Amino acid sequence: GDSVTQTEGLVTVTEGLPVKLNCTYQTTYLTIAFFWYVQYLNEAPQVLLKSSTDNKRTEHQGFHATLHKSSSSFHLQKSSAQLSDSALYYCALRIWDRNSNNRIFFGDGTQLVVKP
Amino acid sequence: EAAVTQSPRSKVAVTGGKVTLSCHQTNNHDYMYWYRQDTGHGLRLIHYSYVADSTEKGDIPDGYKASRPSQENFSLILELASLSQTAVYFCASSDAWENTEVFFGKGTRLTVV
Repeated sequence: GDSVTQTEGLVTVTEGLPVKLNCTYQTTYLTIAFFWYVQYLNEAPQVLLKSSTDNKRTEHQGFHATLHKSSSSFHLQKSSAQLSDSALYYCALRIWDRNSNNRIFFGDGTQLVVKP
Repeated sequence: EAAVTQSPRSKVAVTGGKVTLSCHQTNNHDYMYWYRQDTGHGLRLIHYSYVADSTEKGDIPDGYKASRPSQENFSLILELASLSQTAVYFCASSDAWENTEVFFGKGTRLTVV
């Protein structure tokens, strides 16, 4: 079935160093879009990045991600992590199912901790 | 900016009691969702709706009912609350286009005792 996999439950990085959060997906549908959501402590998830174009880099707030349909991936990266980046990050996939319903699948989330 | 309002923001319920969580959106969105968040499980879809007076089961619908009386309002109902339903619940809305994001409410922290 359709699913999103985030392999790391927790990623810890030192401030100023690069960070990469992994996201892979499985889907049988062609009409798809991908998102990264960020959730700060005690707040609602909010969108960070989105993409539906293969091999096109998307950037926002210093983060970037590129959708690679050949490897079914949409990894999130940042060249220099900041303390304020500490949060829970969700990768999400949006598709149209067989009943013409719009469905969204979230990964289990990756907790990013940035240490001084 | 899109607005999704949940009420109450927190609630303590007694095991076996009935709980209703309410959600109101002013975005004119067709889709509304109820998610449950537990540590280690991420966001899991309980019920969703794409039109008023109709609801669909998500991935974990057991023990929950949903109601969409209007485009703006979407409720989650726990007829017989259980300890295992202690969690944070998020309501969300989106329009029908696949490349647009979901907008979340601030969540309801439900504790069943």
